[in-house]
Amino acid sequence: GAGVSQSPRYKVAKRGQDVALRCDPISGHVSLFWYQQALGQGPEFLTYFQNEAQLDKSGLPSDRFFAERPEGSVSTLKIQRTQQEDSAVYLCASSTLAGGSTDTQYFGPGTRLTVL
Amino acid sequence: LAKTTQPISMDSYEGQEVNITCSHNNIATNDYITWYQQFPSQGPRFIIQGYKTKVTNEVASLFIPADRKSSTLSLPRVSLSDTAVYYCLVGPASGGGADGLTFGKGTHLIIQP
Repeated sequence: GAGVSQSPRYKVAKRGQDVALRCDPISGHVSLFWYQQALGQGPEFLTYFQNEAQLDKSGLPSDRFFAERPEGSVSTLKIQRTQQEDSAVYLCASSTLAGGSTDTQYFGPGTRLTVL
Repeated sequence: LAKTTQPISMDSYEGQEVNITCSHNNIATNDYITWYQQFPSQGPRFIIQGYKTKVTNEVASLFIPADRKSSTLSLPRVSLSDTAVYYCLVGPASGGGADGLTFGKGTHLIIQP
């Protein structure tokens, strides 16, 4: 069956531009997570949705980062006024249940953002 | 949240058994141990999860001693395609948000012919 998909796979932005990254989770999955992965590092948690509710946004690095999941399925991560330090791979994951470490997360391939 | 410590990198050869150990001295009573694998240009993929003693699936085994302060991921008869980064995560079974979602830097396993 279809897994988690993300688009675009690659995005190049000039410093100061706004970008929007899309995540299509597995159909019916309740939980959706966004992570940021810098080169050579592990994924770092950004934010978590349970259906359409954003229950945890403690990992968002600044108020330039905004995520939404208005209908409880597709999610968009928006970064305003991009900076070079925002360059990273942005990963989306979804899971069946309402979070927790025993709920297997299914990851998408990520969007590689490069800010020039 | 329990902090985990893993070796940064490991090398082995095709056909060997590889054991990657993760230390989690501050693991809580309701914490589970989960391992993920990540190939270049892909998102992490779930490998195995356990609470205590031993868990085995078609891919790997997970050994957890009685004190649960460490765990060992065992990959039998590795092949070149097992070259990847392996992450150990520790966190509670229930609850949303970031509980149990700290990946750390992982262990970069390199398999040579």
